[in-house]
Amino acid sequence: DGGITQSPKYLFRKEGQNVTLSCEQNLNHDAMYWYRQDPGQGLRLIYYSQIVNDFQKGDIAEGYSVSREKKESFPLTVTSAQKNPTAFYLCASSDSGTGVEKLFFGSGTQLSVL
Amino acid sequence: ELKVEQNPLFLSMQEGKNYTIYCNYSTTSDRLYWYRQDPGKSLESLFVLLSNGAVKQEGRLMASLDTKARLSTLHITAAVHDLSATYFCAGASGTYKYIFGTGTRLKVLA
Repeated sequence: DGGITQSPKYLFRKEGQNVTLSCEQNLNHDAMYWYRQDPGQGLRLIYYSQIVNDFQKGDIAEGYSVSREKKESFPLTVTSAQKNPTAFYLCASSDSGTGVEKLFFGSGTQLSVL
Repeated sequence: ELKVEQNPLFLSMQEGKNYTIYCNYSTTSDRLYWYRQDPGKSLESLFVLLSNGAVKQEGRLMASLDTKARLSTLHITAAVHDLSATYFCAGASGTYKYIFGTGTRLKVLA
């Protein structure tokens, strides 16, 4: 079945540590996204990538980094510069150029600080 | 810059009743989406509305779009407990920029 796989489901970060969240898709979508969701709030865009080897900052990119070396993969690194990383992180992809561009979401990673 | 506002933020309703969730957006949005999220889970796409006057229905949910009023509605008919979830609307500014509302947390009481 086609879909988006995020791992791990739960992740704990120690102060000063960088951690990486994995996102893999087998939908053959060009575009991929990372969103952050805080309790009781909507989704905020961290980074997005339209195509391999290209990505753009979203509204809250500070303290995060990404790479897009393969079409299927879009990992997110939460760096030590992100002082408030506790949140639910959602990866998504979309098939651009269809006129619909519906987002397909992974199951999410809950990141907490130890 | 596109902004999306939903109301109400919380909605508690009795089974069998009807209600509407409202989604206002500030500037032109190329597309309007509705998603459902169960607690601790991912978002599931419900509807994509592409043009003025668009209406989509699935079961007890019906979504509509009025681009002139910059308003989309999600109408719930004869609510059942299984519809309890958080519902998000999202607008699109261009191909890749999706702006989400803060969500409406719906609780259907037996």
